[in-house]
Amino acid sequence: AQSVTQLGSHVSVSEGALVLLRCNYSSSVPPYLFWYVQYPNQGLQLLLKYTSAATLVKGINGFEAEFKKSETSFHLTKPSAHMSDAAEYFCAVSDFNQAGTALIFGKGTTLSVSS
Amino acid sequence: DGGITQSPKYLFRKEGQNVTLSCEQNLNHDAMYWYRQDPGQGLRLIYYSQIVNDFQKGDIAEGYSVSREKKESFPLTVTSAQKNPTAFYLCASSPRTPSTEAFFGQGTRLTVV
Repeated sequence: AQSVTQLGSHVSVSEGALVLLRCNYSSSVPPYLFWYVQYPNQGLQLLLKYTSAATLVKGINGFEAEFKKSETSFHLTKPSAHMSDAAEYFCAVSDFNQAGTALIFGKGTTLSVSS
Repeated sequence: DGGITQSPKYLFRKEGQNVTLSCEQNLNHDAMYWYRQDPGQGLRLIYYSQIVNDFQKGDIAEGYSVSREKKESFPLTVTSAQKNPTAFYLCASSPRTPSTEAFFGQGTRLTVV
């Protein structure tokens, strides 16, 4: 089965600083990878996804992620943090088998942004 | 507007009672999912359904049941057998392709009192 590991349950940055959220995946086949954001008491919103078209993926709100097969990583970055980026972020991999497909999520990283 | 509607947003249940969480989508998606979210645990898959009248257990299906009688609807019942049901429950839907993202509802927060 596929899995993802998010390193660091909590990341704190200052406004204007670089944001780096780490995600490593475990997959025996080329994976489909996703980053989602969640604000308190809300559902999840897609930030970006990797589906093998390009290794550098640009998403909404200035976020991007780079797929590195050699490192089995899909880290999320943003050059300059904004207060509104404070939220919980989830990395996910698409797990498919005979029974169907479902997204498997990491445990999440809470991003705090200070002024 | 197309989307996924979960109801109610907040739900309180007494111990020993069954409760059903509603999930409806008008995105014409074949697949639907239920996830449970606990602090520090991420999202864990409870059940998923790829087509009407068929569903599969996820990683934590014990104490839960589902039905998929219509394409648009995928209700989740939390039974009295679920030992620790207090959590945030998220429903999602997607087309049946691995490269396509899932779309999420706003969630239901269930509290056992």
